[in-house]
Amino acid sequence: DTEVTQTPKHLVMGMTNKKSLKCEQHMGHRAMYWYKQKAKKPPELMFVYSYEKLSINESVPSRFSPECPNSSLLNLHLHALQPEDSALYLCASSLSQGADSPLHFGNGTRLTVT
Amino acid sequence: EDQVTQSPEALRLQEGESSSLNCSYTVSGLRGLFWYRQDPGKGPEFLFTLYSAGEEKEKERLKATLTKKESFLHITAPKPEDSATYLCAVRGYGGSQGNLIFGKGTKLSVKP
Repeated sequence: DTEVTQTPKHLVMGMTNKKSLKCEQHMGHRAMYWYKQKAKKPPELMFVYSYEKLSINESVPSRFSPECPNSSLLNLHLHALQPEDSALYLCASSLSQGADSPLHFGNGTRLTVT
Repeated sequence: EDQVTQSPEALRLQEGESSSLNCSYTVSGLRGLFWYRQDPGKGPEFLFTLYSAGEEKEKERLKATLTKKESFLHITAPKPEDSATYLCAVRGYGGSQGNLIFGKGTKLSVKP
C-alpha cells in the first residue's frame, strides 16, 4: 500500500464522456503532481501544484483540467479525450516543490479511452 | 539539457547472481538522484535518494552509489521478487525547473 491514494484504479470512458481522477495524501506534503505513463515508457510530467496553486503546466491539452481543492486532494478532470490519451495516470506528492525530497507516487489510474 | 540514460534496457539474472544497473546523467548542478522500483501496473516505489558524489545507500539486497557522472544500483544475491523495472531520476538546478528527469528504466528479471 502507498501513502498516496488514487481512485478509481481503472476507468473506461468514451470520447464524449466527462470523468474525474482523484488523488489524496495525508503526509502533509505541499507539492502534488500529475504524471502520465505509457507502456514501457517513463512517467511524463503533466502538472505541478505547489501550496495549492498551479505551478507548472507542461503544455498539456485543455481536455485535461487539474484542480487542487485543498492541500490533501488533487483532481484531474477529463473531457473529450482521444484514444491516444489511454495510459496510466499517476499522482505524486513531495514535501514541497523546492525541497530536494523524493516524490511519493500512488498506484495510478489505468485509463482506457474508447 | 538535463539527461538520464539507463543501461542495460533489460537484464536477466539467475537467483543469487549479483549484478549492477547503471544510470548516467547530465545535469546543471545535481540537487538529487533518485532510484525507484516499479512493478507492472503500479506506481513507482521510492528506494533511495543520493545527493553528492561518494554517497552510498543500502536497503536489503540493494545498494546505490553515486559519482559525478553516474549512479549504480548493485543487486546482491537477487531473488525472484526483485523482478521489476528500476527507474533512475535526477533533479537539477537548470532548465527542468527542478523537476524530475527520468531515465527509461532497466527491466530486471530474476529466474529461480
